[in-house]
Amino acid sequence: KQEVTQIPAALSVPEGENLVLNCSFTDSAIYNLQWFRQDPGKGLTSLLLIQSSQREQTSGRLNASLDKSSGRSTLYIAASQPGDSATYLCAVRRGAAGNKLTFGGGTRVLVKP
Amino acid sequence: DTEVTQTPKHLVMGMTNKKSLKCEQHMGHRAMYWYKQKAKKPPELMFVYSYEKLSINESVPSRFSPECPNSSLLNLHLHALQPEDSALYLCASSQGKVGLGFLEAFFGQGTRLTVV
Repeated sequence: KQEVTQIPAALSVPEGENLVLNCSFTDSAIYNLQWFRQDPGKGLTSLLLIQSSQREQTSGRLNASLDKSSGRSTLYIAASQPGDSATYLCAVRRGAAGNKLTFGGGTRVLVKP
Repeated sequence: DTEVTQTPKHLVMGMTNKKSLKCEQHMGHRAMYWYKQKAKKPPELMFVYSYEKLSINESVPSRFSPECPNSSLLNLHLHALQPEDSALYLCASSQGKVGLGFLEAFFGQGTRLTVV
């Protein structure tokens, strides 16, 4: 059974500092890994999708890496801003079946002005 | 357009009521999902429809009844719910099959359900 873990559960940084969010998974037979942002009481916004054959994806200030063999992904957010305050969730999609998305517990981020 | 639309945004229902949650997407996606999310917890998968057929039911109680009337619509029928069923219900969609695309999941804004 796939288990996805995100550490730390919460993170507080001053504005301008780079953010490093970690995601680990137990079963390396994944199809892809997706990072989401969730604001309180809202839905999930897709940030980055990494296919199992890729090592990283970039979008603006966001960069996500994937090391399938060690079961890890890292989301980097450069030059953090107060508007980056949210919960960040990673989710892995199982390889063979493809339609099961398993989430980590999330990291709550607070960027202080 | 990468939008998944859920209605209503908020719903308050009594334990004897029958209500339905609706979800719609026009991205041509053939997989649609229902997730339940309690406060400060990650989303938990409830159901998956693939090509309008129920493919995954995560042992959800029968008081939740999903329906996929066509490739764009997904409903969740609610009956005789309990207060502990109060949560944010999220709908998502993606392409239908491994190998047909990136299978990026797009989520709606959710329905905040309160059972009284």
